[in-house]
Amino acid sequence: NAGVTQTPKFRVLKTGQSMTLLCAQDMNHEYMYWYRQDPGMGLRLIHYSVGEGTTAKGEVPDGYNVSRLKKQNFLLGLESAAPSQTSVYFCASTRDRATEAFFGQGTRLTVV
Amino acid sequence: SQQGEEDPQALSIQEGENATMNCSYKTSINNLQWYRQNSGRGLVHLILIRSNEREKHSGRLRVTLDTSKKSSSLLITASRAADTASYFCATDLSNTGKLIFGQGTTLQVKP
Repeated sequence: NAGVTQTPKFRVLKTGQSMTLLCAQDMNHEYMYWYRQDPGMGLRLIHYSVGEGTTAKGEVPDGYNVSRLKKQNFLLGLESAAPSQTSVYFCASTRDRATEAFFGQGTRLTVV
Repeated sequence: SQQGEEDPQALSIQEGENATMNCSYKTSINNLQWYRQNSGRGLVHLILIRSNEREKHSGRLRVTLDTSKKSSSLLITASRAADTASYFCATDLSNTGKLIFGQGTTLQVKP
């Protein structure tokens, strides 16, 4: 039982490049979340999903897109990376609305 | 601004002492959760308290919730060096599905 797996773990992008971060969970959880963590800012919610085929904006959605075509996967896309998107990205999932979240190990992204 | 505000931002204590962290939030919630993050790692769930509960215990952890003041506290008793980590509160906003985290408290426990 792997829990929540994020791919890749590290990535360096040039400004303007695009990439997709993959989050996969094997717990049959309904809810999935993408956060970014910057020093002194805690975790900020980018986008989230309350079920397969649904997505919604979080606190800082600009510059990101997401898709939840399959229940177990939640993809985060950067269409044109900017240095301000340098951060550590965490994916999380919950069984339903009022239960504990399980986190992936994070993706460290640097945009140069 | 973020839903959860934590206080203090940093805390340094000696092993064996108690550590108290506070979290305030702004809107109505279904529940409030506390998480721990060791440096460079993902977050790990510690405890969940529902909006109709006032206090909850788990081992050396004690969490209180005051919905009238929109605040919660996490008490770690008899701290150990291994408790050194960042601690975050998270609120599950009513009827939105959002799980919003505070900025965290960095705890250092000196041996």
